[in-house]
Amino acid sequence: DAMVIQNPRYQVTQFGKPVTLSCSQTLNHNVMYWYQQKSSQAPKLLFHYYDKDFNNEADTPDNFQSRRPNTSFCFLDIRSPGLGDAAMYLCATSSGLPISYNEQFFGPGTRLTVL
Amino acid sequence: KNEVEQSPQNLTAQEGEFITINCSYSVGISALHWLQQHPGGGIVSLFMLSSGKKKHGRLIATINIQEKHSSLHITASHPRDSAVYICAVRREGASGSRLTFGEGTQLTVNP
Repeated sequence: DAMVIQNPRYQVTQFGKPVTLSCSQTLNHNVMYWYQQKSSQAPKLLFHYYDKDFNNEADTPDNFQSRRPNTSFCFLDIRSPGLGDAAMYLCATSSGLPISYNEQFFGPGTRLTVL
Repeated sequence: KNEVEQSPQNLTAQEGEFITINCSYSVGISALHWLQQHPGGGIVSLFMLSSGKKKHGRLIATINIQEKHSSLHITASHPRDSAVYICAVRREGASGSRLTFGEGTQLTVNP
């Protein structure tokens, strides 16, 4: 059974047209992460939520926003996508409990194309 | 210099060969992950290590905390093992754990 679900798997948008990517989890994990991965590069953390506490990385562009309306769902909003935002976007979760339980579980990713 | 360095970047092997991928890191960590990413993008966690050695099927992962080094071994490699293998180190903070990723090793196993 899928534990971290991302929708859609493939998203095409136009330059400057807002887009929202969705992540949901059935693990009841406290922490949810959004990563951006460009071709042949390592994933780059954009931000994460610890419960409702939002933690933005210093170099994440203002163009990227996130919402977490409840434990299960987290959204990535790209307000005005540019060509450079075309990438795979990965959602991950972890329990936030003591260290030994803090494995991250990844979703299948959403591949974003910007035309 | 990246905090997590993997070698080699690319590796081509023949089916059946023994494969080793190395990972070195320069920061204090609480755990190290080996991840597998197939074309199409989804990441699967293979191992999470904080000491010693773990084995799962044909995969073996080791870590030496003192030397800040880990290796992933694949025995009797198969074409379906072809994927990108990523080493990621985990550090704990007040707002939860965070991963720092290596650049990945592209493995191709030819029949």
